[in-house]
Amino acid sequence: AQSVTQLGSHVSVSEGALVLLRCNYSSSVPPYLFWYVQYPNQGLQLLLKYTTGATLVKGINGFEAEFKKSETSFHLTKPSAHMSDAAEYFCAVSLDTGRRALTFGSGTRLQVQP
Amino acid sequence: EAQVTQNPRYLITVTGKKLTVTCSQNMNHEYMSWYRQDPGLGLRQIYYSMNVEVTDKGDVPEGYKVSRKEKRNFPLILESPSPNQTSLYFCASSLKGGNYGYTFGSGTRLTVV
Repeated sequence: AQSVTQLGSHVSVSEGALVLLRCNYSSSVPPYLFWYVQYPNQGLQLLLKYTTGATLVKGINGFEAEFKKSETSFHLTKPSAHMSDAAEYFCAVSLDTGRRALTFGSGTRLQVQP
Repeated sequence: EAQVTQNPRYLITVTGKKLTVTCSQNMNHEYMSWYRQDPGLGLRQIYYSMNVEVTDKGDVPEGYKVSRKEKRNFPLILESPSPNQTSLYFCASSLKGGNYGYTFGSGTRLTVV
């Protein structure tokens, strides 16, 4: 069965500091991996996704993530945090199976301190 | 504008009173799904549909029903709501399923008292 683990339910950084949100997955077949962001009182928006090919994926708002098969990880990073990055972030995995579902991690709330 | 529209955004109801949350997408997507979001648990899939008249259970289907009579609409029905169904609900659609990513609605916050 596929699963996703996000380490740290809350992460706090200073404005201008590096953002690192961790995601590990378990999968017996090559996964499709996603990061979504949820701003207060809104739905989830796609930040970036990994399907095949280049393991470093660039997304919107300066975020990027690197797929590391050996570590079964897909950590999300941004070199310099902005106040507007404060939100909840979800990692998700999809397998090419009949159900075609996305399985989500439990989320990481990012706080950005001025 | 390509979007998934859910209604209502907020709903307070009493135990046992049947309710329907509507979901509509304008992207001609084949795949639609309902999720519930609870603190510390992330999003869990309730039901999904791969196309018109094709629906199936997700991870937490108990107490819910769905139908897919038209491609664009995928309503979520709670025939006898209970307090443990108090949650934030999201409808999502996708061209053909998870590998393509989802487009989410804005959510429906349901409180059952």
